[in-house]
Amino acid sequence: QVQLQESGPGLVKPSQTLSLTCTVSGGSISSGGYYWSWIRQHPGKGLEWIGYIYYSGSSYYNPSLRSRLTISVDTSKNQFSLKLSSVTAADTAVYYCARDPLGAGYFDYWGQGTLVTVSS
Amino acid sequence: EIVLTQSPGTLSLSPGERATLSCRASQSLSSSDLAWYQQKPGQAPRLVIYGASSRATGIPDRFSGSGSGTDFTLTISRLEPEDSAVYYCQQYGSSLPTFGGGTKAEIK
Repeated sequence: QVQLQESGPGLVKPSQTLSLTCTVSGGSISSGGYYWSWIRQHPGKGLEWIGYIYYSGSSYYNPSLRSRLTISVDTSKNQFSLKLSSVTAADTAVYYCARDPLGAGYFDYWGQGTLVTVSS
Repeated sequence: EIVLTQSPGTLSLSPGERATLSCRASQSLSSSDLAWYQQKPGQAPRLVIYGASSRATGIPDRFSGSGSGTDFTLTISRLEPEDSAVYYCQQYGSSLPTFGGGTKAEIK
């Protein structure tokens, strides 16, 4: 059974960089066949896809976040990470990592989510 | 960007009743690239339906999906108390996946 777990600071100051890591267990990122995504949910609101990465390092980002976003993968640790720079209060959200089977575009396994608050 | 509009915003039904949730896309999804998720308070979304009509692993057969083009439906044939949740549709027919605003299903 694949499990995903987000980790990182729960509080980030405005203008700083938000950094999160997703650790995958029960399966190897480097086995291929899956895209690994970040998705966020603003408090009380809907869901927004942030971007994905493949084990090879190829990635694709939401155009609305592209200028501030970096998603990377560390296959040796079976992890992938998110960095979002120049954050504002609008980036306050629950951040989820999720698996996309075969690059199909939907998400069959999700982490439990982690709340990141942007505040001074 | 493909915009998904879900209706109703909230539905309130009794156990055993049939629930019909709608999702309308602003552009046609040529390959039925639509999924449905169930989200309970404090939990991550859970995949219910993909490919517009295929049930995800472990999903009871009272859940079914249908539709094509721009109009899609999630039906819960006989509501049970544990079906109380917010349901989101998501399209993946374009390079930018997007989600609908959600329908809250309340079980009386």
